Amino acid sequence: GAGVSQSPSNKVTEKGKDVELRCDPISGHTALYWYRQSLGQGLEFLIYFQGNSAPDKSGLPSDRFSAERTGGSVSTLTIQRTQQEDSAVYLCASSLSRGGVGQETQYFGPGTRLLVL
Amino acid sequence: DQQVKQNSPSLSVQEGRISILNCDYTNSMFDYFLWYKKYPAEGPTFLISISSIKDKNEDGRFTVFLNKSAKHLSLHIVPSQPGDSAVYFCAAKPDTGNQFYFGTGTSLTVIP
Repeated sequence: GAGVSQSPSNKVTEKGKDVELRCDPISGHTALYWYRQSLGQGLEFLIYFQGNSAPDKSGLPSDRFSAERTGGSVSTLTIQRTQQEDSAVYLCASSLSRGGVGQETQYFGPGTRLLVL
Repeated sequence: DQQVKQNSPSLSVQEGRISILNCDYTNSMFDYFLWYKKYPAEGPTFLISISSIKDKNEDGRFTVFLNKSAKHLSLHIVPSQPGDSAVYFCAAKPDTGNQFYFGTGTSLTVIP
């Protein structure tokens, strides 16, 4: 498909378990973002990948959160020892590399709804 | 610390009338602003953007206005249609750094 895809679409897990969320960006987009949206909140930036550069991890809320991007394409967000407050919608977005106004427009996937019991 | 604020969580407008969604920001370093539209169970979709060198950008029924001195952004939808019913997020980005800052969203309902 032409858009950003994410899997799974829904995930229910028990407190303390690890989860992995996957994002497939739009082909040719070198920038990839992860956000989360908790109930009643705006989108909270988590991490940013740009090409082969070191990722910007400044938004990760704790060391239980990590993300990888393999081959400059697919990305996985891992949450270790999940807590109930991790319950949220996790959104991935991709964009063309930063080269000018308009290229920074992000295209979002449908999100993964994570529920930690 | 919410640097982008949408103070109206919801808005209802009659079909055919104008919808005005507002957004305020605190960081004077923001130089690029965007509006996204989100339907339930879907990711946000890009709607319209504006750079800080402009004060208005228009695309069909959608117009974004930027008042830099007031640090205020608004989205006008004219005429509003029932299909415009969705949650609208504004977002801003500084001239340096990678992070986009999003507001909490305004849920627009267009009444037929």
